[in-house]
Amino acid sequence: KAGVTQTPRYLIKTRGQQVTLSCSPISGHRSVSWYQQTPGQGLQFLFEYFSETQRNKGNFPGRFSGRQFSNSRSEMNVSTLELGDSALYLCASKPSEGSGANVLTFGAGSRLTVL
Amino acid sequence: AQSVAQPEDQVNVAEGNPLTVKCTYSVSGNPYLFWYVQYPNRGLQFLLKYITGDNLVKGSYGFEAEFNKSQTSFHLKKPSALVSDSALYFCAVRDYGGATNKLIFGTGTLLAVQP
Repeated sequence: KAGVTQTPRYLIKTRGQQVTLSCSPISGHRSVSWYQQTPGQGLQFLFEYFSETQRNKGNFPGRFSGRQFSNSRSEMNVSTLELGDSALYLCASKPSEGSGANVLTFGAGSRLTVL
Repeated sequence: AQSVAQPEDQVNVAEGNPLTVKCTYSVSGNPYLFWYVQYPNRGLQFLLKYITGDNLVKGSYGFEAEFNKSQTSFHLKKPSALVSDSALYFCAVRDYGGATNKLIFGTGTLLAVQP
């Protein structure tokens, strides 16, 4: 069973640009979450999607947005990039029921560098 | 609000010796606790969880954790450390404030196992 796939793995942008990151969850998982990891702030929750609906959003500015498609794939977008947006962006998925329903499976992440 | 604390930024241990990575938590209600490990340039890998039941939880790669309600702790342990265990370890608690997927992570503990 394929894991959580995130693309691209690495990318470099300049201030003011925008970026879109993609996440394909494990087959059958309908819940997708996004986290930002930085050396200074650690791991912080961005948002959660289930069946194309955003269920929760972390404390991030409106420049950070996301969506989920009918096949459960998710994208997140950051507009007007700032230097502080440089981070590892992690996507995670989980099943809706069963013994693994409480466990998030993470992808390898997309490392964004903003110059 | 739910929170976890990892009081040690780094833990050093010799190969073959037992290791302990500490975690304390603060939650309202019954905690859902998790340990994840992160290797360089990788996402988070699930090690184990405590939801309910036996206070000693066994997980992947020979790791275990002991849930202690009176001390509000969930320390990660392994009887005999391997050099390959060297990585960044995160304790997390599930947030009850809405989304079931939102995990609140500790700041991480870098485990260094010397040969």
